[in-house]
Amino acid sequence: NAGVTQTPKFQVLKTGQSMTLQCAQDMNHEYMSWYRQDPGMGLRLIHYSVGAGITDQGEVPNGYNVSRSTTEDFPLRLLSAAPSQTSVYFCASSYLRTGGSYGYTFGSGTRLTVV
Amino acid sequence: GDSVTQMEGPVTLSEEAFLTINCTYTATGYPSLFWYVQYPGEGLQLLLKATKADDKGSNKGFEATYRKETTSFHLEKGSVQVSDSAVYFCALAGGTSYGKLTFGQGTILTVHP
Repeated sequence: NAGVTQTPKFQVLKTGQSMTLQCAQDMNHEYMSWYRQDPGMGLRLIHYSVGAGITDQGEVPNGYNVSRSTTEDFPLRLLSAAPSQTSVYFCASSYLRTGGSYGYTFGSGTRLTVV
Repeated sequence: GDSVTQMEGPVTLSEEAFLTINCTYTATGYPSLFWYVQYPGEGLQLLLKATKADDKGSNKGFEATYRKETTSFHLEKGSVQVSDSAVYFCALAGGTSYGKLTFGQGTILTVHP
C-alpha cells in the first residue's frame, strides 16, 4: 500500500517553463488537495478536489491548474513558472466518515526551485 | 472563513522540560482538529487528532484537548526529548473547510540535551 505518491521529489525550472507535478493515491479517498509550504507561512491550499471531475480553488491558486479525471490522480500544472513559485509542494488525500471524522495522508513533497 | 493561529516560535527547551504550544481556531460548525509534525527534511506526519468537543488526542507522550468554549487545541508534552525537535502544525478540517485542511503557520521546536 503506497499511500500518496508524489513525483518528482526535486525539480529546477527556468522562469517561463511549464511542468506538471504528479500525485497519485491508492486508498480510494474521495478528496485530494495541493498545498505549498513556505518558510513562516505554514501550508497554504492551492487547489482541491472533492471527487473525480470536481475541483475548486484554494487560498493561492494563481499560476496553477488542476484536473481530476480519476479518483487516483490529481496532477498540478504550473503554466509559466515564476521565482515566486519556488516552494515545497505537498499533495494530500483524505476521507470523511460518518460522524465527521477526517483522515489525511500526505505525500513526501516536491521541492521546486524556479530560477 | 476558517483560520488557525499558533503561538509564535521558535521554541527552545532543554531535554525533559514541559512543552506547550498554543493553538486557537476560528470555524463555523464542528471542525476536526489536528496536530501534524514535520521532522527536518521530511513530510508531514499526523501526530494526533480530535473530532469533537472535549475529545483528547494523544500520541507519543503528546496530548491536546479540543476545547470548544475557548476554541483552542493546545499541544502539551510533559517531558520533551531531543528527538522531538521538529516543526509542529495545528490544523482544522470541517466547518467551511470541507475536504481540506486549514493550517496554522507552524512552530519550530528545538530541544537541547
